[in-house]
Amino acid sequence: QVQLVESGGGLVQPGGSLRLSCAASGFPFRIFYMSWIRQAPGKGLEWVSYISSDSYYIYYADSVKGRFTISRDNARNSLYLQMNSLRAEDTAVYYCATENWGRFDSWGQGTLVSVSS
Amino acid sequence: EIVLTQSPGTLSLSPGEGATLSCRASQSVSSSSLAWYQQKPGQAPRLLIYATSSRATGIPDRFSGSGSGTDFTLTISRLEPEDFAMYYCQQYDSSGRAFGQGTKVEIK
Repeated sequence: QVQLVESGGGLVQPGGSLRLSCAASGFPFRIFYMSWIRQAPGKGLEWVSYISSDSYYIYYADSVKGRFTISRDNARNSLYLQMNSLRAEDTAVYYCATENWGRFDSWGQGTLVSVSS
Repeated sequence: EIVLTQSPGTLSLSPGEGATLSCRASQSVSSSSLAWYQQKPGQAPRLLIYATSSRATGIPDRFSGSGSGTDFTLTISRLEPEDFAMYYCQQYDSSGRAFGQGTKVEIK
């Protein structure tokens, strides 16, 4: 069955960088759009970025544009999120999810990113 | 950018009662672009409804969705103990995706 496992979260100082990974298995990763979605502690869901199956289409939420970069490696069944210039408001659980016509069918369990000095 | 507003913020109900959750968009949304998710504490969200009214795999038929234009509704016909959770609506368009702020369904 579909499995998505995020990793790479942790504690980082403001202005620092972090790279998240999402390992996918159980489905044909190479044909799926993928997204990153985050949830600040005690808050709602916020879509962060999506990438098309061939990496041709990439979009970001305004809140992360210019600081975050989404990418994928279809040969390794992996999705990535490079996060630079991190701010306190980027503190959240980050989920990767499969996309199907814009809806999020399957989700990982998330990885926690904490931005604090 | 389309903004989704969910109401009420919290719904206090008893098991067996029905629940009606609202999601209003700041501009018209395609009916094929509106989804609903359930999230329980400490868990990832789960897709319930997509394309306004289609149930995702394995979702019981007490969950139903309806609406068009700017007004969409998630209805739970008879609340089971496992239905008490947060619910989010979500829309997508060519440039992005957006979630509503959520409705909490709690036990009265």
